[in-house]
Amino acid sequence: DADVTQTPRNRITKTGKRIMLECSQTKGHDRMYWYRQDPGLGLQLIYYSFDVKDINKGEISDGYSVSRQAQAKFSLSLESAIPNQTALYFCATSDISNEQFFGPGTRLTVL
Amino acid sequence: KQEVTQIPAALSVPEGENLVLNCSFTDSAIYNLQWFRQDPGKGLTSLLLIQSSQREQTSGRLNASLDKSSGRSTLYIAASQPGDSATYLCAQRGTSYGKLTFGQGTILTVHP
Repeated sequence: DADVTQTPRNRITKTGKRIMLECSQTKGHDRMYWYRQDPGLGLQLIYYSFDVKDINKGEISDGYSVSRQAQAKFSLSLESAIPNQTALYFCATSDISNEQFFGPGTRLTVL
Repeated sequence: KQEVTQIPAALSVPEGENLVLNCSFTDSAIYNLQWFRQDPGKGLTSLLLIQSSQREQTSGRLNASLDKSSGRSTLYIAASQPGDSATYLCAQRGTSYGKLTFGQGTILTVHP
């Protein structure tokens, strides 16, 4: 079984809809991250959490929110999706060594 | 502001060749540097992690070096194989609690 899982793997939605992307991990790591990847722009950090009670904004948090429901679960929400949020979204985890491990990604298309 | 640059953007080599991928970073306050591999449409696979106190790390045919004074890291791939074809990303962390800053990647193609 994969250590970091993301659901859904693919999602097509319409402008204005609320979308939630979920991430679960079995690595026992305290730190979790959400990134988006766009062609030509590399990976950009949206939000990160160092433990259940800790939430921090990344480079591009506008239009997104997160929830850390448990050590193993970190969800990303788009309250009102817009087309320029079409991207590949990755969840990642790390332990105190700070080596990051990534999930398989969610491909989101906003029409 | 941390910036990470990878050169070249794309590289095509014949099977069996040894090759070097380059990564440059602007922030000398580096905590660690991580190399990843990404296959098309897939997630990132961690290859090597170099802490700021280390000069290099090796895993199989891969060797990564870190030179803080020049702000550079290199990923050396020995005896390349078609299965090595992927995008290779480096990412710098500035502090123990800092975020990873990614380069835009080098697309590697190894042809038989």
